[in-house]
Amino acid sequence: AQKITQTQPGMFVQEKEAVTLDCTYDTSDQSYGLFWYKQPSSGEMIFLIYQGSYDEQNATEGRYSLNFQKARKSANLVISASQLGDSAMYFCAMRAHNTDKLIFGTGTRLQVFP
Amino acid sequence: DVKVTQSSRYLVKRTGEKVFLECVQDMDHENMFWYRQDPGLGLRLIYFSYDVKMKEKGDIPEGYSVSREKKERFSLILESASTNQTSMYLCASFSYLPGGSSYNEQFFGPGTRLTVL
Repeated sequence: AQKITQTQPGMFVQEKEAVTLDCTYDTSDQSYGLFWYKQPSSGEMIFLIYQGSYDEQNATEGRYSLNFQKARKSANLVISASQLGDSAMYFCAMRAHNTDKLIFGTGTRLQVFP
Repeated sequence: DVKVTQSSRYLVKRTGEKVFLECVQDMDHENMFWYRQDPGLGLRLIYFSYDVKMKEKGDIPEGYSVSREKKERFSLILESASTNQTSMYLCASFSYLPGGSSYNEQFFGPGTRLTVL
């Protein structure tokens, strides 16, 4: 069965510092995709970054990067130079190539303080 | 830009009422999803649909049904609302990219926070 695990219910980081949000996954599929979403207090889910299982380089999108370690089945999100507006819930998710469904982790609440 | 809209941001209903949550997307996506989100549990899939009049159960379909009469609209129905259905409900849609990529960003609506008294 496929599973996403986020072991950090909450994280604190000071403004301008970098922070890593952990995500491990479990799948027997060879082809899959990994996603990170941000959910501010307003509730909408905002797509941040995607990593394909065959991508050789770690994905980057602005201040977001994904530290993909395939052998360890981890896909940690790194946010550089944190901003107050980064305070939100962050969800890691996975989709196998031959399915329509996204499997989500339980989320990590990030709080950025001045 | 893809837009997914949900009929209400906040909804309060009484136990036993029939509740309709509506979701509309404007990008001609084939696939649409309903999730519920609860603290500590993340997002759990209730139902999804990959075409008009087609539906499949997700992980927690009990107590819910869905309707997809038109491609752009996917409705979630609580036949007889109960207090344990108090939750945040999120609708999402996506369309497959050519080439068989596993990339398919799901676009989410703003969510409906339902309270059942």
